[in-house]
Amino acid sequence: KAGVTQTPRYLIKTRGQQVTLSCSPISGHRSVSWYQQTPGQGLQFLFEYFSETQRNKGNFPGRFSGRQFSNSRSEMNVSTLELGDSALYLCASRVGLAGSDTQYFGPGTRLTVL
Amino acid sequence: GENVEQHPSTLSVQEGDSAVIKCTYSDSASNYFPWYKQELGKRPQLIIDIRSNVGEKKDQRIAVTLNKTAKHFSLHITETQPEDSAVYFCAASRTYDKVIFGPGTSLSVIP
Repeated sequence: KAGVTQTPRYLIKTRGQQVTLSCSPISGHRSVSWYQQTPGQGLQFLFEYFSETQRNKGNFPGRFSGRQFSNSRSEMNVSTLELGDSALYLCASRVGLAGSDTQYFGPGTRLTVL
Repeated sequence: GENVEQHPSTLSVQEGDSAVIKCTYSDSASNYFPWYKQELGKRPQLIIDIRSNVGEKKDQRIAVTLNKTAKHFSLHITETQPEDSAVYFCAASRTYDKVIFGPGTSLSVIP
């Protein structure tokens, strides 16, 4: 099976702009989670989508949003970018059903905000 | 809220020695505990996981132990090799719930 893929791999934006990141999960996986990874904060959970519905949410401001499509692909949007949003954004997919909790990560999107 | 603590934050061992990383979790309902290894510039990769109905699990040089009463779990790597050098993350979750990660441990294996 193909692994989790993310596009784009690198992005450079300026403050105030918005950005959309994409994640394609492993075939058959219905859950997609998003994480922000920074050197000082580790892996911070943003949100999880399962069957097009947000199932879990982390403690990030409303500027961070996401959605999931019927084919399980997910997008994450960050509006009004701030310098502190510079990070590696990782998505992870899993089957999402009871007893199938193993998450597989994508390669990440490196976002730099200038 | 849910929290996972991890110690030590950095660990340096001689090749061939053992390495132990310890984690504690706050949510007593957590029932799934994965460990991920992240090499520099790469994605986190699952190396081993354990569920709450098991006290210990081994996979070659890697083992994980779980103490539900104390709410802590540990990763043990024996006969360490230079390629074991990476950042290791522990995590905890309940079924259907978000996976919360510890802050990570940077392991260096000195040849």
